[in-house]
Amino acid sequence: NAGVTQTPKFQVLKTGQSMTLQCAQDMNHEYMSWYRQDPGMGLRLIHYSVGAGITDQGEVPNGYNVSRSTTEDFPLRLLSAAPSQTSVYFCASTATGKNTEAFFGQGTRLTVV
Amino acid sequence: DAKTTQPPSMDCAEGRAANLPCNHSTISGNEYVYWYRQIHSQGPQYIIHGLKNNETNEMASLIITEDRKSSTLILPHATLRDTAVYYCIVRVPVRSYQLTFGKGTKLSVIP
Repeated sequence: NAGVTQTPKFQVLKTGQSMTLQCAQDMNHEYMSWYRQDPGMGLRLIHYSVGAGITDQGEVPNGYNVSRSTTEDFPLRLLSAAPSQTSVYFCASTATGKNTEAFFGQGTRLTVV
Repeated sequence: DAKTTQPPSMDCAEGRAANLPCNHSTISGNEYVYWYRQIHSQGPQYIIHGLKNNETNEMASLIITEDRKSSTLILPHATLRDTAVYYCIVRVPVRSYQLTFGKGTKLSVIP
């Protein structure tokens, strides 16, 4: 049982490049979320999904796109990377029902130069 | 959403109990108190959550005051591996995918 898997772990992009951060979970959770964490700060919600085909914006969605075609996968796309998107990105998945703890991946450290 | 207030940092001697406070004076009746921790930039890890009764699991205990305006996370015998940033979050379970993280409390366990 791998839990939440994020790839890649590290990435350096040039300004204006695009890329996709991958997130996969094997717990059959309905809910998935993307957060970013800047130095010395707590996590901020970018986008979330409450099920396949359903996504919505969080606190800081600008510059990012998401889709959810399967329960397992929730990729985050950076359309045109900017230095302000340099951050650590975390994906999380959460079950519905009574046990609503979120499981987080180990993060992707992204640097945009 | 109810906001939380936590001290920015705390120290605890190894082997002693670590008591981490959290104020959430605007908590609503259906909101739970969740605690997560983040060890050295790893992904946050769930610790415990509760509504109004005290809760205990293998990691920690959660004490919620009767008026629910504050709570305390207790690590009964802190170890060096418990050094982390601890986040107190208030949320209704049906929106547990939408967590609001503050800056948390940096707990340093000292040998």
